[in-house]
Amino acid sequence: QSALTQPASVSGSPGQSITISCTGTSSDVGSYNLVSWYQQHPGKAPKLMIYEVSKRPSGVSNRFSGSKSGNTASLTISGLQAEDEADYYCCSYAGSSTLWVFGGGTKLTVL
Amino acid sequence: QVTLRESGPALVKPTQTLTLTCTFSGFSLSTSGMCVSWIRQPPGKALEWLALIDWDDDKYYSTSLKTRLTISKDTSKNQVVLTMTNMDPVDTATYYCARSRIAVAEYFDYWGQGTLVTVSS
Repeated sequence: QSALTQPASVSGSPGQSITISCTGTSSDVGSYNLVSWYQQHPGKAPKLMIYEVSKRPSGVSNRFSGSKSGNTASLTISGLQAEDEADYYCCSYAGSSTLWVFGGGTKLTVL
Repeated sequence: QVTLRESGPALVKPTQTLTLTCTFSGFSLSTSGMCVSWIRQPPGKALEWLALIDWDDDKYYSTSLKTRLTISKDTSKNQVVLTMTNMDPVDTATYYCARSRIAVAEYFDYWGQGTLVTVSS
């Protein structure tokens, strides 16, 4: 069982928007603005999409955005495209003993 | 250009010790704030953070696996080594190394391509 809870799957049609939630606790997501999101296509390494809750690395589409409220972080993808179909993982800093915790991953299907 | 590459055995037997090496370029692990982590992913399952070593040789381990893990670095060779003892079939996974930077980039900005380790007799 992963430390952070994500829905197992979400789906949407091209052009639509979807949101993936990532629920932690007051010891991780709720305490630090150090939530990041990773996109993983089959057989590939994870790719950083969002860091520090809502910041986008250079080269990542502005269709990807992040937010946080309390112990829950969210990733929103707008204007869905076929290439967005992938697994998405959230990650949060969890303090000096545990350091990092990941979510269980969400499979995004573009219908 | 930052790159990381994992290497190690593809197959290990139960109870054996696994040794994996992460060879990186484009940054130095002697630079203040620099860190390298090991993260694994069983087939079809989620990512799991295992261990981190920083530029100051401080080491951090997953609470659930800390008795089995040792992380070390060779700054001159740009390498980070992870050993995991008493391997079990449930440890079958793709093992990744990834970079982060304390107080600058507290996230994994560069990843290796991963190396699949199968534990089987």
